[in-house]
Amino acid sequence: QSVLTQPPSASGTPGQRVTISCSGSSSNIGVNNVHWYQQLPGMAPKVVIYGNNQRPSGVPDRFSGSKSGTSGSLAISGLRSEDEADYYCAAWDDSLSGWVFGGGTKLTVL
Amino acid sequence: QVQLVQSGSELKKPGASVKVSCKASGYTFSNYAMNWVRQAPGQGLEWMGWINTNTGNPTYAQGFTGRFVFSLDTSVSTAYLQISSLKAEDTAVYYCARRFIVSTAMDYYYYMDVWGKGTTVTVSS
Repeated sequence: QSVLTQPPSASGTPGQRVTISCSGSSSNIGVNNVHWYQQLPGMAPKVVIYGNNQRPSGVPDRFSGSKSGTSGSLAISGLRSEDEADYYCAAWDDSLSGWVFGGGTKLTVL
Repeated sequence: QVQLVQSGSELKKPGASVKVSCKASGYTFSNYAMNWVRQAPGQGLEWMGWINTNTGNPTYAQGFTGRFVFSLDTSVSTAYLQISSLKAEDTAVYYCARRFIVSTAMDYYYYMDVWGKGTTVTVSS
């Protein structure tokens, strides 16, 4: 059971906009930043959003993030086939004094 | 460019030990802490803990005390994860990930910015 809660799956057609939610608590997302990682099949995770809404250089501006209260969300607009991957949210948890992850969301591009 | 290069896959028998390496390049090793993350087959990411690359002081997450040891060799900019008394449930991909600090006008925060490609450890008799 993951500390952060994500939907196990999401899907969309090419060109659509999809959002993935991440629900936490007052000890993690409520007081710290949310970060999002993309994991392509057989590959290592790669950060696509850090600090709630910051995009690393090289990540398309189709990716955006937001945070409200104890929840964060990742939005991908103009969906492309190469976006098909597992997406994980992460945050520091002050009570556990450690990083916590969501269980991951498998994004399928139909 | 910043890179973390991990050692190759390992196949071990139950009860044996394994040592995974993570060699950093492209930055000053001692300036950034190193995290370790486990991913069991078909499962999500699980944070194992981190090591202060300046002092060598390790911090272990719940569930990763006793058989797991983080260490460093700063002379070769390398972090290590050693697992002893291996069990079948230790079968997983193990990642190292650098802890990066972001300074804002009001505060600062961390995130794991660069990851190694992972080392697969398989425990089977």
